[in-house]
Amino acid sequence: EAGVTQFPSHSVIEKGQTVTLRCDPISGHDNLYWYRRVMGKEIKFLLHFVKESKQDESGMPNNRFLAERTGGTYSTLKVQPAELEDSGVYFCASSPPRGSRQFFGPGTRLTVL
Amino acid sequence: EDQVTQSPEALRLQEGESSSLNCSYTVSGLRGLFWYRQDPGKGPEFLFTLYSAGEEKEKERLKATLTKKESFLHITAPKPEDSATYLCAVQYGGATNKLIFGTGTLLAVQP
Repeated sequence: EAGVTQFPSHSVIEKGQTVTLRCDPISGHDNLYWYRRVMGKEIKFLLHFVKESKQDESGMPNNRFLAERTGGTYSTLKVQPAELEDSGVYFCASSPPRGSRQFFGPGTRLTVL
Repeated sequence: EDQVTQSPEALRLQEGESSSLNCSYTVSGLRGLFWYRQDPGKGPEFLFTLYSAGEEKEKERLKATLTKKESFLHITAPKPEDSATYLCAVQYGGATNKLIFGTGTLLAVQP
């Protein structure tokens, strides 16, 4: 069974540019989560999709971040415009409809210069 | 403020030297406490879920326990391949599935 995949694995952009991260969850997993780890800090929740609906977006830092999950399959997280403090590792996770265990992808390392 | 605290931040053991990692939490309405292992450059890998005080789970050299305020991850006779960052996370409340993570314990096991 394929795990959660994320693309790209690493992105380096300049301040003010736009970046889009993609996450493909495990097939059949209705729940999709985005998390972020900033250097030296703990992994922090950003938002949770159930199918294509945003269930909880309480962790989104500001309106420069836009997450979508069209058709309830893969998800994208766009940062526009990127700021220096957006640098970190962005993790995606998914879980089955009634499962509590979240399966994590390998992460996308974002560096904003 | 709801939070998860892990200790120690880093731990160095000799192969075969058993020890325990601690995760204390201050959340209301705990629904589950999760232990993950993370290797460099990879995402967290699930180890255990504990749901209620007194519960214990084992996997190879690892054993996780849960009380009302903390969880322990016991490592018995560790091997170098057990070296990794061990993360604790909690899920609480009724309306959200989000995980609240601690900062992790970096474990190094020397041969």
